[in-house]
Amino acid sequence: AQSVTQLDSQVPVFEEAPVELRCNYSSSVSVYLFWYVQYPNQGLQLLLKYLSGSTLVKGINGFEAEFNKSQTSFHLRKPSVHISDTAEYFCAVSMNQGGKLIFGQGTELSVKP
Amino acid sequence: ETGVTQSPTHLIKTRGQQVTLRCSSQSGHNTVSWYQQALGQGPQFIFQYYREEENGRGNFPPRFSGLQFPNYSSELNVNALELDDSALYLCASSSWDRGYNEQFFGPGTRLTVL
Repeated sequence: AQSVTQLDSQVPVFEEAPVELRCNYSSSVSVYLFWYVQYPNQGLQLLLKYLSGSTLVKGINGFEAEFNKSQTSFHLRKPSVHISDTAEYFCAVSMNQGGKLIFGQGTELSVKP
Repeated sequence: ETGVTQSPTHLIKTRGQQVTLRCSSQSGHNTVSWYQQALGQGPQFIFQYYREEENGRGNFPPRFSGLQFPNYSSELNVNALELDDSALYLCASSSWDRGYNEQFFGPGTRLTVL
């Protein structure tokens, strides 16, 4: 069975600082990896995805993530955050491209001025 | 292109009651997935419908049931509501027939069970 662990429940950071949100997964088979963002009182929006190929994936809003198979990690990074990046971020895995998503517990990113 | 919509936005029920939540999928999509997001948690997969048939189910009891209609909209029904059913219910639509099947999420329905 697959599982996802987001190592930090809350990450406070100052505006324009870099940030990394950590995600580890467990699976006995190959998986697809995703990061979603959820703003208050909204649904989930896809930030980026890893399906195959290059292990460095670039997404929207300046975010990127690196797939590390040996460490079973898929950490999300942004070199300089904005106040508007304040939101909940979810890492997710799926065994196929359209099937069920298994989510981590979420990381609350709080960007302070 | 119309996105995924859900109704109602909020509702309050009491224990033992039944509830129906609705989801309209994005234009051109034939698959709907439902997720339950308890407060402070990540979403949990309930089930998925593809072309009106159930196409996978998570670890939820049978009192959680669903339907998908010919226009690919969907309903989630929950019977005998329990306090722990209080959550944000998200639906996501996608299309199995078009290569990569990104799931597009609706804004959710906030259910409170008293």
